[in-house]
Amino acid sequence: QQPVQSPQAVILREGEDAVINCSSSKALYSVHWYRQKHGEAPVFLMILLKGGEQKGHDKISASFNEKKQQSSLYLTASQLSYSGTYFCGTGGGADGLTFGKGTHLIIQP
Amino acid sequence: KAGVTQTPRYLIKTRGQQVTLSCSPISGHRSVSWYQQTPGQGLQFLFEYFSETQRNKGNFPGRFSGRQFSNSRSEMNVSTLELGDSALYLCASSLPADYGYTFGSGTRLTVV
Repeated sequence: QQPVQSPQAVILREGEDAVINCSSSKALYSVHWYRQKHGEAPVFLMILLKGGEQKGHDKISASFNEKKQQSSLYLTASQLSYSGTYFCGTGGGADGLTFGKGTHLIIQP
Repeated sequence: KAGVTQTPRYLIKTRGQQVTLSCSPISGHRSVSWYQQTPGQGLQFLFEYFSETQRNKGNFPGRFSGRQFSNSRSEMNVSTLELGDSALYLCASSLPADYGYTFGSGTRLTVV
């Protein structure tokens, strides 16, 4: 079951904050977050595990609500380099990741 | 350290032909998974290999197959190519499931 991401797209000015949400109809063990710039491969940002453990990027934070099967990615004081498409992925390991459709983030100067 | 290497970067094939794509994971990563990315369907899981065994496969026809070698390098094969197989094929390697995936730059396949 594909996770649902919101919003689909967001345009910000440099320095503004953004929140990207990811929700699933299935019980989640972990949530992955990736960023993909145009013409490039997705880059790992963070993984959030059931029980509260997080591994990943120092300058990006995220939350994982196991009860609601939701995760949110918080981008604060956005920089031009944050532009790209953000994907959440659920599952992993032998099951592979099931990705959401992505959130397009544009940061304007 | 070297990243995930995929070859070739670009391919143009004719309908009905077959194609083999290659992926060399990060040294020490034994899990390799493959994804198809298209504008309409997004990122879709093809299959995952660990220690030369396919542990799972996504919802793709049997024309899509793969294998993993003892050095963890992986190949995927698509037979009897169709126009709809045109996509970016991404390979990702990882440590055990609780770690993130490192993606290669992908192979852009165009079927004409």
